[in-house]
Amino acid sequence: EVQLVESGGGLVQPGRSLKLSCAASGFTFSNYYMAWVRQAPKKGLEWVATISTSGSRTYYPDSVKGRFTISRDNAKSSLYLQMNSLKSEDTATYYCARHGDYGYEMDAWGQGASVTVSS
Amino acid sequence: EIVLTQSPTTTAASPGEKVTITCLASSSVSNMYWYQQKSGASPKLLIYSTSSLASGVPDRFSGSGSGTSYSLTINTMEAEDAATYYCQQWSSNPLTFGSGTKLEIK
Repeated sequence: EVQLVESGGGLVQPGRSLKLSCAASGFTFSNYYMAWVRQAPKKGLEWVATISTSGSRTYYPDSVKGRFTISRDNAKSSLYLQMNSLKSEDTATYYCARHGDYGYEMDAWGQGASVTVSS
Repeated sequence: EIVLTQSPTTTAASPGEKVTITCLASSSVSNMYWYQQKSGASPKLLIYSTSSLASGVPDRFSGSGSGTSYSLTINTMEAEDAATYYCQQWSSNPLTFGSGTKLEIK
């Protein structure tokens, strides 16, 4: 069974940093692109980042580019999201997701990690 | 950036009723993907590559469309289908989602 378990969420002050982790199991982690998607309270889904199988290629929307860094450790089947210079608008539930076989869709999702940016 | 506009924003259907949700893209996309998110849960992939059913998804769900106009159809509404539905594209960067359609049961 595919499992994605996020950790590392919490309350953080504006301007500070936080690092999320996602532990993957039930599939060959190194074979899949992986992503982070967030959802602000009572809002829709927003893509945050994607990383290639080897980690050599990363993709971000302008809203987080330069502040967030996605990375992975294939030996540990783990995905990470380093978030710097956090803003109140980064407050959201952050989901770890697996890109599917076609690469464009996300076919498995974690339960989410809550991040609150507030003083 | 490709903007995806979903309609309706909110709708309600009776059990057995047919439901159609539309997703209009601001520019042509190659394919559309659809997700279902029930209250308090993570999103779940329903449809990939416009019209292919994801694993385990009931065949009352179907997807169609091309270019800038795509749709998700539920042939016969069931109570368990009450959820918010999102379309998604990645034909060009950035990957974008529609704003969601909330479907309630009457």
